[in-house]
Amino acid sequence: NAGVTQTPKFQVLKTGQSMTLQCAQDMNHNSMYWYRQDPGMGLRLIYYSASEGTTDKGEVPNGYNVSRLNKREFSLRLESAAPSQTSVYFCASSTGTSGRPSSYEQYFGPGTRLTVT
Amino acid sequence: AQSVTQLGSHVSVSEGALVLLRCNYSSSVPPYLFWYVQYPNQGLQLLLKYTTGATLVKGINGFEAEFKKSETSFHLTKPSAHMSDAAEYFCAVSGKSGGYQKVTFGTGTKLQVIP
Repeated sequence: NAGVTQTPKFQVLKTGQSMTLQCAQDMNHNSMYWYRQDPGMGLRLIYYSASEGTTDKGEVPNGYNVSRLNKREFSLRLESAAPSQTSVYFCASSTGTSGRPSSYEQYFGPGTRLTVT
Repeated sequence: AQSVTQLGSHVSVSEGALVLLRCNYSSSVPPYLFWYVQYPNQGLQLLLKYTTGATLVKGINGFEAEFKKSETSFHLTKPSAHMSDAAEYFCAVSGKSGGYQKVTFGTGTKLQVIP
């Protein structure tokens, strides 16, 4: 099992450019998440998808859009990148958002380091 | 609303010394609590978790944590630090919020192990 994979690993964008971060999991998980990590701020939830076909805003959704393409894949799009979006982005997945507590454990990808100049 | 407070953004210990990383939480419902570890340039990995049952939970690499409801704490300990323990550690609380299981992360504690 590869677990959670993310592409690309690194990206530099100019202000106003767009890009899509890709995430895929092979654990048959129902729920997927996008976080950003900034120094001293921990992880902040951007969007999540509780199950295939649904997406919802998290704590910091402005400037982002997501697509749950199928059960395996959850992409994050920056339509018009801004320097404030310079961050490390992590995708995560879990078995579910309800039911047994063991389903709440999240598995993380290796991250995408994005710089917007 | 739920929240997590990690006391100390940086902690330094000598190799072989006790590791103690502090975490306090607030939650309106019985919480599920987690510690994750992040090594440089990697994603987060689960170290241990408390859901129900025994309040002292053991995790990987010799770490353990104790859930203390009266103190709303979930501190992480390891009796003897190893150089390989140098990493950033995140405490997290999970609880139902608006129909989904929301996970809130602390701001992290960087552990430095001095030889």
